[in-house]
Amino acid sequence: NFMLTQPHSVSESPGKTVTISCTGSSGSIASNYVQWYQQRPGSAPTTVIFEDNQRPSGVPDRFSGSIDRSSNSASLTISGLKTEDEADYYCQSFDSTNVVFGGGTKLTVL
Amino acid sequence: EVQLVESGGGLVQPGGSLRLSCAASGFTFSNYDMHWVRQATGKGLEWVSLIGSAGDTYYANSVKGRFTISRENAKNSLYLQMNNLRAGDTAVYYCARVRYFGSGSYYFDYWGQGTLVTVSS
Repeated sequence: NFMLTQPHSVSESPGKTVTISCTGSSGSIASNYVQWYQQRPGSAPTTVIFEDNQRPSGVPDRFSGSIDRSSNSASLTISGLKTEDEADYYCQSFDSTNVVFGGGTKLTVL
Repeated sequence: EVQLVESGGGLVQPGGSLRLSCAASGFTFSNYDMHWVRQATGKGLEWVSLIGSAGDTYYANSVKGRFTISRENAKNSLYLQMNNLRAGDTAVYYCARVRYFGSGSYYFDYWGQGTLVTVSS
């Protein structure tokens, strides 16, 4: 079964840039698009990136996504960090008709 | 405004059953594929099931044979019938709508607030 692996946690200071990785277990992560969701405590997830690197309307351009085929991984980069970006972030892709989520990364902005 | 409101969660004993509902509004429900996604307390998101607009269904291996997803378009409602529940099924269950973009891929564009299912004796 296809799995996505994320670091458990990352931390960075306000105003800085942070990158969260999402590594595919097998095959090519580029075979299916990757999405990223932000989840603040007590709330449902919201989409920050879809189709590897597209932002839904309303998501600031501080959020960007990319794919690195050489490492079979996707990345979410948040620049100009704000305290409001502190949340859990999940990558998501597909394994045939099944949806696969990464384990999530807790971002602390301190 | 798109709204998804789950209900039906609660405390159930191991081996018991529960039926979750998701009331949809603000969009043409019959045109959309719908999913259930769950999250155990302090844990990550886990995909549970999908029902297409045409009624085709798919399940995660962890729930296959125990859970049944269904929809009633006339009532703008999505359901999840959960049988033979286990402690590991304890989680907040979200219903979610998808938005397609090119070549059959999609993302979850709207989520409900979730309903808590606790399986315990």
